[in-house]
Amino acid sequence: ETGVTQSPTHLIKTRGQQVTLRCSSQSGHNTVSWYQQALGQGPQFIFQYYREEENGRGNFPPRFSGLQFPNYSSELNVNALELDDSALYLCASSATGQGLGNEQFFGPGTRLTVL
Amino acid sequence: AQRVTQPEKLLSVFKGAPVELKCNYSYSGSPELFWYVQYSRQRLQLLLRHISRESIKGFTADLNKGETSFHLKKPFAQEEDSAMYYCALRPRGYQKVTFGIGTKLQVIP
Repeated sequence: ETGVTQSPTHLIKTRGQQVTLRCSSQSGHNTVSWYQQALGQGPQFIFQYYREEENGRGNFPPRFSGLQFPNYSSELNVNALELDDSALYLCASSATGQGLGNEQFFGPGTRLTVL
Repeated sequence: AQRVTQPEKLLSVFKGAPVELKCNYSYSGSPELFWYVQYSRQRLQLLLRHISRESIKGFTADLNKGETSFHLKKPFAQEEDSAMYYCALRPRGYQKVTFGIGTKLQVIP
């Protein structure tokens, strides 16, 4: 059984650019949640995907968007990057609707720096 | 709106001393409460949740709806407990999980 993986590990972008972050969910999991963790803060919920549909969203603007694929992997896209988007982006997968308690398993994160 | 407050950014205790990591929440409905832990150079992972009523690694947490608290306790701290601890809340039936700012626990040998 493989755990949650994320790519890339880190990247540097400039203001106004666009970025795509990737997440592969743990085997058997059908739900992916994305979080933004700024330095010294707790993770903040961006959104969740279940069966390829957005299934809940936090207080993030529309320039944060996502996708989930049939194999349950997911992408987070951020357009028009701003300096405040610099953060660690965490992906978490879980098994919704399978009586397994919806425990989230987190990936190692992608460190995004916006200059 | 839901909010989770962890009043201490850093808590230092001696090995063998009791530990209490505080967590207060604000939510008008029925919440699910969790504690997550992140050890050095490891991923964030679930420690325990209130509905399980378990003791994990000697830690327990009781949901006090009257005081809207979910404090994490351990009677005797071990050096390997040193980590970052996050309290989190999820409204029942909803997906948004709100995390607190985290408390760094430092167990002094």
